[in-house]
Amino acid sequence: DAMVIQNPRYQVTQFGKPVTLSCSQTLNHNVMYWYQQKSSQAPKLLFHYYDKDFNNEADTPDNFQSRRPNTSFCFLDIRSPGLGDAAMYLCATSRDSGSYNEQFFGPGTRLTVL
Amino acid sequence: SQELEQSPQSLIVQEGKNLTINCTSSKTLYGLYWYKQKYGEGLIFLMMLQKGGEEKSHEKITAKLDEKKQQSSLHITASQPSHAGIYLCGADPSGGYNKLIFGAGTRLAVHP
Repeated sequence: DAMVIQNPRYQVTQFGKPVTLSCSQTLNHNVMYWYQQKSSQAPKLLFHYYDKDFNNEADTPDNFQSRRPNTSFCFLDIRSPGLGDAAMYLCATSRDSGSYNEQFFGPGTRLTVL
Repeated sequence: SQELEQSPQSLIVQEGKNLTINCTSSKTLYGLYWYKQKYGEGLIFLMMLQKGGEEKSHEKITAKLDEKKQQSSLHITASQPSHAGIYLCGADPSGGYNKLIFGAGTRLAVHP
């Protein structure tokens, strides 16, 4: 089945130790998104890629970076995780970037920062 | 900036009962999405509404976007334990760039 896959499902890191979260898709969609969802809060968009074009949200901290080496893969890098970065990180894809394009979500990676 | 407010924040119902979840926007909605999230997991797409007055149904779940396009409701008929989870409404305030904002969610528990 075509799907959005996130690895790992659970990630534990230490304060300040860089961490990378992975997302892959078999849908061949043009757009990939990264959302941060803190406990009992709404998912919040961090950035997205339209093909190779990177689009950062204005309030996304510089500590968060992303890479998309090819259509299928997208990575979220947190350079120096703080305790406040503990959250569920959700990857999503959509066929295109216009309105009314359904976003397909992966199962998420829950990040714990010690 | 546009905000989505969901009510109620949480809901506990007896199996078999009907329920309604509301999503109210601070600005006109151009597309309203409903997703379901199991605890600790990703979002599952339920429905997308585009036009004022539009109503869609899937199995026992019906969603409607009101005529003024600032509120949507999600109605579940004869609830089952499998309906339990967090229901999130989402909207695109970016003018067509598909960058969604979400409400904080409604936590639904269905007791047998």
